[in-house]
Amino acid sequence: QSALTQPPSASGSPGQSVTISCTGTSSDVGGYNYVSWYQQHPGKAPKLIVYEVNKRPSGVPDRFSGSKSGNAASLTVSGLRAEDEADYFCSSHAGRNNPYVFGTGTKVTVL
Amino acid sequence: EVQLVESGGGLVQPGGSLRLSCAASGFFFSGYEMNWVRQAPGKGLEWVSYISPSSNAIYYADAVKGRFTISRDDAKNSLYLRMDSLRVEDTAVYYCARDHSGWSLLWGQGTLVTVSS
Repeated sequence: QSALTQPPSASGSPGQSVTISCTGTSSDVGGYNYVSWYQQHPGKAPKLIVYEVNKRPSGVPDRFSGSKSGNAASLTVSGLRAEDEADYFCSSHAGRNNPYVFGTGTKVTVL
Repeated sequence: EVQLVESGGGLVQPGGSLRLSCAASGFFFSGYEMNWVRQAPGKGLEWVSYISPSSNAIYYADAVKGRFTISRDDAKNSLYLRMDSLRVEDTAVYYCARDHSGWSLLWGQGTLVTVSS
């Protein structure tokens, strides 16, 4: 199972929006509404910020939003803040034998 | 609050063995699916292994199949990963992760495993 494809980097100024893509196949992203997004600051564990394509866990600001169309998903961070600077990984379910396929990761820089 | 605390990482020679532990608290451990996920230095995330409640279903990534063994002790609220025949490419931070909803994960802080001679 290949990793999902994400752009290596994305950037924006404070207050702006940035959108990160996550491209898979019909066997993963396109086959299930089970796309998740994780934020990871340097030296820290990943943190769940979006699950089931567009749901947010308690405590995650609504500046983070997810969507999906066909074999591609995306995460939009609106109203960028300095603390949003981090690595972001997508993930999709790909069947019981391969429950989690992760994206290649995107480094978001707040200019 | 969900808490997952990994331990057992360290330096091991190629071909050696190590057992990782994950102590869970703040939730009904026996009712949840659990996983190990790893991250090589400077690299992305890689799912390693899954175990269902009651250990009825267990899955492994191809890269570790036959070498790693996942297990759980619900009485101790603990998850384990036995790693044998370790290779240099197994060097990574290993995270214990609990299913949240819809195949998403909540993570521990991780434990570093270094395989080197």
